[in-house]
Amino acid sequence: ETVLTQSPGTLSLSPGERVTLSCRASQSVSGDYLAWFQQKPGQAPRLLIFGASNRATGIPDRFSGSGSGTDFTLTISRLEPEDFAVYHCHQYGRSPWTFGQGTKVEIK
Amino acid sequence: QVQLQESGPGLVRPSETLSLTCTVSGDSITTDYYWGWIRQAPGKGLEWIGTVYHSGTAYYSPSLKSRVTISVDTSKNQFSLKLNSVTAADTAVYYCARRRYAGPFDPWGQGTLVTVSS
Repeated sequence: ETVLTQSPGTLSLSPGERVTLSCRASQSVSGDYLAWFQQKPGQAPRLLIFGASNRATGIPDRFSGSGSGTDFTLTISRLEPEDFAVYHCHQYGRSPWTFGQGTKVEIK
Repeated sequence: QVQLQESGPGLVRPSETLSLTCTVSGDSITTDYYWGWIRQAPGKGLEWIGTVYHSGTAYYSPSLKSRVTISVDTSKNQFSLKLNSVTAADTAVYYCARRRYAGPFDPWGQGTLVTVSS
């Protein structure tokens, strides 16, 4: 099983700041099949990035993904008020599909 | 636009079977997608439970495989989850979701909270 470790656990930031979230895999993610989701309280996860660096339909270009192999990054270039949420990474390259434990981005 | 909606009891007693249904609208469940269940225990991360294709072929998480059955009803455009011998550790929000081959889960249903308690 591919274990995904996200860091940090929580980030306290202000609107307008740049955010970098990390997701590290215990083994190489096949095909760089790595996705990022945003989840707000009481809501289902929303797909932001797939294939490590491809934005999903309707996702603003302030969100970008990068990385390959075992190290992946989600960057939010400039935090908007609606971006405060929990972010999950997810690998779908090798079964069993797995998720990271999440990084919470909170208002400072 | 495809939409998914979970339904089922919100309270299940320990040792009994948790049963949930996901109703798919806006698309046929017989299209070339896989249909899955994912759960999230309170304060925890997401956990994949299993996935089914419209042919009925199912794939399960090794950690839950002995207790899980996922099936599909093409006539009702639904797929279902059964998890037996539940304990408090199975208390979670259960989501259904769609994924294409070599793709992530997207979209997701809104989720339904299932509490295991006597």
